[in-house]
Amino acid sequence: DAGVIQSPRHEVTEMGQEVTLRCKPISGHNSLFWYRQTMMRGLELLIYFNNNVPIDDSGMPEDRFSAKMPNASFSTLKIQPSEPRDSAVYFCASSLGDVGRGTEAFFGQGTRLTVV
Amino acid sequence: AQSVTQLDSQVPVFEEAPVELRCNYSSSVSVYLFWYVQYPNQGLQLLLKYLSGSTLVKGINGFEAEFNKSQTSFHLRKPSVHISDTAEYFCAVSPYGNKLVFGAGTILRVKS
Repeated sequence: DAGVIQSPRHEVTEMGQEVTLRCKPISGHNSLFWYRQTMMRGLELLIYFNNNVPIDDSGMPEDRFSAKMPNASFSTLKIQPSEPRDSAVYFCASSLGDVGRGTEAFFGQGTRLTVV
Repeated sequence: AQSVTQLDSQVPVFEEAPVELRCNYSSSVSVYLFWYVQYPNQGLQLLLKYLSGSTLVKGINGFEAEFNKSQTSFHLRKPSVHISDTAEYFCAVSPYGNKLVFGAGTILRVKS
């Protein structure tokens, strides 16, 4: 398996524009996570899905952020409108089972988003 | 709420020297503990985990960690580091459910 695949790897956009980040989890994994990494706040869990259903979105910063998982092999994280403070590295991760019980979470290489 | 404190933001060390990266957690209940590593421009990968049993846990690449319940610590150690160990290391706990809470990270810089 190629691992968790994220696209694009880098995104530069202007403030106010819509941004869509994409993730393909490892085939067969039933949990998917979106994390954001910044210098100031470290790694934050934004949302996670189990069997394509959003379970916990308490980390989503505000209504400008939305995430979907239309099927087991694809998820998107959308920011509309984007703001400079959204600049960060966004990671997608997937797992087969409960990461809180020891199942390994496999991370993609991340999308570095810069909003100017 | 559970939290994780990594006491050092950066740790410089010479090649072949031992290293310890410190991690303390706050919890009133039993937790599961993890160390993940992030190499430059990569995602995170699991180094080792403590779920139960022996308090000394061995992971990949020669790393090990010791769970100390009384001190609420889970420090990561390696007896002899290599240049290739240069990376950022994250301690994490699982509060409940399918979630991981990460510490701020410790950058390990191995010098020749």
